[in-house]
Amino acid sequence: GQQLNQSPQSMFIQEGEDVSMNCTSSSIFNTWLWYKQDPGEGPVLLIALYKAGELTSNGRLTAQFGITRKDSFLNISASIPSDVGIYFCAGRPPLYNQGGKLIFGQGTELSVKP
Amino acid sequence: DSGVTQTPKHLITATGQRVTLRCSPRSGDLSVYWYQQSLDQGLQFLIQYYNGEERAKGNILERFSAQQFPDLHSELNLSSLELGDSALYFCASSVSTDTQYFGPGTRLTVL
Repeated sequence: GQQLNQSPQSMFIQEGEDVSMNCTSSSIFNTWLWYKQDPGEGPVLLIALYKAGELTSNGRLTAQFGITRKDSFLNISASIPSDVGIYFCAGRPPLYNQGGKLIFGQGTELSVKP
Repeated sequence: DSGVTQTPKHLITATGQRVTLRCSPRSGDLSVYWYQQSLDQGLQFLIQYYNGEERAKGNILERFSAQQFPDLHSELNLSSLELGDSALYFCASSVSTDTQYFGPGTRLTVL
């Protein structure tokens, strides 16, 4: 089945540093979404991307929908302690008989040292 | 707060039992999705309903079933529970098949 490879699995950085993570797949997706999850909580939507090549920002976060439709990246600039958490990419496959189901990456665990 | 509500927050039960998880979508959203999150499998899509009709199915076990009611709330029924069913169960909703907003989840523990 379709899989998303998310990297890195974990990152331990200093406050103020920039962060970059990405997801790749062998299959194309129609939508890419980035979520952040705190322990015991539900994923919170950060950025949604709907077109190949689209570059979207949300505050210090920037994400891009790869031109091949098989990858996406998320950058966080000037990290702060509250950025700590697990970041997930998710892709929505082309619609035929798959509805709106999302395929999730394995997550990137971010730790920020003050 | 995503606007998606789930009850209960925690559920502890024994093997062989049956439980029902409840989800209320965001106001105006017609689609409801159920996902399972476990340490070894990550976040896995189970099933989607759109305006009361089943729209897509993932790797949902035959022991699990779901439905969406006329008021658009949804229930996920898990029966003949096994230890391996212990996980976080999330509901998400969207207007159609676009951006999904997740609820806070139900943590199921099967003893």
